[in-house]
Amino acid sequence: NAGVTQTPKFQVLKTGQSMTLQCAQDMNHEYMSWYRQDPGMGLRLIHYSVGAGITDQGEVPNGYNVSRSTTEDFPLRLLSAAPSQTSVYFCASSLLGKGGGKSYEQYFGPGTRLTVT
Amino acid sequence: GESVGLHLPTLSVQEGDNSIINCAYSNSASDYFIWYKQESGKGPQFIIDIRSNMDKRQGQRVTVLLNKTVKHLSLQIAATQPGDSAVYFCAESRSRDDKIIFGKGTRLHILP
Repeated sequence: NAGVTQTPKFQVLKTGQSMTLQCAQDMNHEYMSWYRQDPGMGLRLIHYSVGAGITDQGEVPNGYNVSRSTTEDFPLRLLSAAPSQTSVYFCASSLLGKGGGKSYEQYFGPGTRLTVT
Repeated sequence: GESVGLHLPTLSVQEGDNSIINCAYSNSASDYFIWYKQESGKGPQFIIDIRSNMDKRQGQRVTVLLNKTVKHLSLQIAATQPGDSAVYFCAESRSRDDKIIFGKGTRLHILP
């Protein structure tokens, strides 16, 4: 298993540009999520999904779109990049706890470091 | 070890001592609590979780304690090692199928 993969690792954008951060997992996890982490800060939830075709907003969804057309992929789209979106973006996945007894272990990707100038 | 709340960003502990990292949560509807470890330049790594119907859970060298009365969660690390140096986050969720919200984190610094 490759686990959770994210591309690109680094990206520089100009204000107003759009782009898509890619996230994929090969563990057949139902739950996937996107977080951003600013320097010296915790992780803030942007969007999450509990399965293909289902997405929901997190704490800081403005300026970002997501879709979940397959179980494996959960891309994050920046519609019109702003300097305030300069951050490290982490994608994560886990099993859902249906039926109980499963660990809540969430696997994180290596992150994408985004700079908006 | 020295116990601190999340309003103190750094905890310094002597190698070999026990570490206690504290976390206060505000949502009384939270049902699951999770501790993560994040090493420099990496994504967070799951350590241990606990459900609200438990008050203690043990893993390898780690223990999580939950006090629902005062909405307090702690992570105890036994015999702290240099490899434990990292930022530790608590996180909470209303259920296994709901979103996971992170707290602000505490940096654990190991003194030789």
